[in-house]
Amino acid sequence: QSVLTQPPSVSGAPGQRVIISCTGSISNIGAAYDVHWYQLLPGTAPKLLIFGTTNRPSGVPDRFSGSRSASSASLAITGLQAEDEGDYYCQSFDSSLSDSRIFGGGTKLTVL
Amino acid sequence: EVLLVESGGGVVRPGGSLRLSCAASGFKFEDFGMSWVRQVPGKGLEWVSSINWDGGSRGYEDSVKGRFTISRDNAQNSLYLQMKSLRAEDTAFYYCARHYDFRSPLDVWGQGTSVTVSS
Repeated sequence: QSVLTQPPSVSGAPGQRVIISCTGSISNIGAAYDVHWYQLLPGTAPKLLIFGTTNRPSGVPDRFSGSRSASSASLAITGLQAEDEGDYYCQSFDSSLSDSRIFGGGTKLTVL
Repeated sequence: EVLLVESGGGVVRPGGSLRLSCAASGFKFEDFGMSWVRQVPGKGLEWVSSINWDGGSRGYEDSVKGRFTISRDNAQNSLYLQMKSLRAEDTAFYYCARHYDFRSPLDVWGQGTSVTVSS
């Protein structure tokens, strides 16, 4: 069981907006550690999507955005496209685990 | 082009050993820390181990401490993971990934290599 909790799956139609939540605790997200998001598409290497909770690396469309509230973080995807279908993981750090890097359980995004 | 290419995966019996390699190119390898992350089939990502730029600082996930050793050769632009006393639960896809320091995001990943521990 992952320290960070994500919904197993979300879905949306092309053009719609979806939000993927990442729920942690006071020892990780709630302790103001950065949250990063990764995208795993079939047959490709994992890709950094959001870093430092809200920042997009160069080349990532502004359809992807991150936010944080208390001990949770969220990834919002607007204007859903078929090529967005894949797995999404949040990642942070945990003070109760010697500041180890921790991942959420992952969320499968299906574009209907 | 910034590239990480893993190799060395395979099928090994419980208790056996395996050495994974990660060849880096397209960037100044010695400027970056490196990590190994694995994905158990059908499950999520799990951090395995990290090493800083010169190998002077290393970290391991609890279940692999004492069994896995991370190392690097900056002259060869390569990262390694020596895995011993392998268990069935180590079966996973192993990725290497780049980062600046231990709290930085994993900004470049390889395609991964598969490790299967089975009798």
